[in-house]
Amino acid sequence: AQTVTQSQPEMSVQEAETVTLSCTYDTSESDYYLFWYKQPPSRQMILVIRQEAYKQQNATENRFSVNFQKAAKSFSLKISDSQLGDAAMYFCAYKGGGSQGNLIFGKGTKLSVKP
Amino acid sequence: ETGVTQTPRHLVMGMTNKKSLKCEQHLGHNAMYWYKQSAKKPLELMFVYSLEERVENNSVPSRFSPECPNSSHLFLHLHTLQPEDSALYLCASSQESRGEKLFFGSGTQLSVL
Repeated sequence: AQTVTQSQPEMSVQEAETVTLSCTYDTSESDYYLFWYKQPPSRQMILVIRQEAYKQQNATENRFSVNFQKAAKSFSLKISDSQLGDAAMYFCAYKGGGSQGNLIFGKGTKLSVKP
Repeated sequence: ETGVTQTPRHLVMGMTNKKSLKCEQHLGHNAMYWYKQSAKKPLELMFVYSLEERVENNSVPSRFSPECPNSSHLFLHLHTLQPEDSALYLCASSQESRGEKLFFGSGTQLSVL
C-alpha cells in the first residue's frame, strides 16, 4: 500500500524568507501524481502544486516550487518570499496513475509565518 | 475557488440524533468524495461516487450512510454516532481522469456529545 510521510509537524519561517517542507512517499507504481495542498484557517483545502511522476522537470507555481526526487521518493515544497498569508497546514498527497486512484494524504505540516 | 459548498458549517449532535451533511458542486465534475479529518491523523477517504455510482467504501461504519442523487449533490446521513466520530468532514469533487486534482469544500465541523 502507498504511504505518505511528512516528518515535520510544525515549521516556522520569517516573512520574506524561504522555507522547505519535506515529504516522502512509498509506492511500487511507476505512474503516479503528487500534490501539495494548503489548508488555511478557513478549512478549505486548496491545491498549491501538482507533479506528474513521469516528468523530470520540477513543477513551479509562482513562489512555490518542488524538488521531486523520484529515486529517493521525495517530494519537498519550497516556498520563496514567504508571506503572512502562507500560514496554514500543508498536506502532501499521492495519487496512483489509474483514473480511479484516490488521494492518499500525509499528516500535514503546520507552517507559521513571523512578521 | 469556491465551487464546492458544504452545509452546515458546524454541527453538534447527540448520540441518538439523526442528521445529514450536504455537499453541492457547481463545477460540472463527475466524481464526488467524502473525507474525514481528525486531529493529528491523515485525511481518511470514506466514500467515492463516480457518475453517481458508489465506487469505494473504505470500511466505514454503517452509522454513516452516503447518498448521491445526482452528479452535483452528495449527502452523508448520520445516525447513532459515537464521540470518536467528532471530526471535520470534507467533501470534494473532481473530473475523473488520470491525475486530476480534487476541489474541496470548507467542511462541516461535527461534534458528537
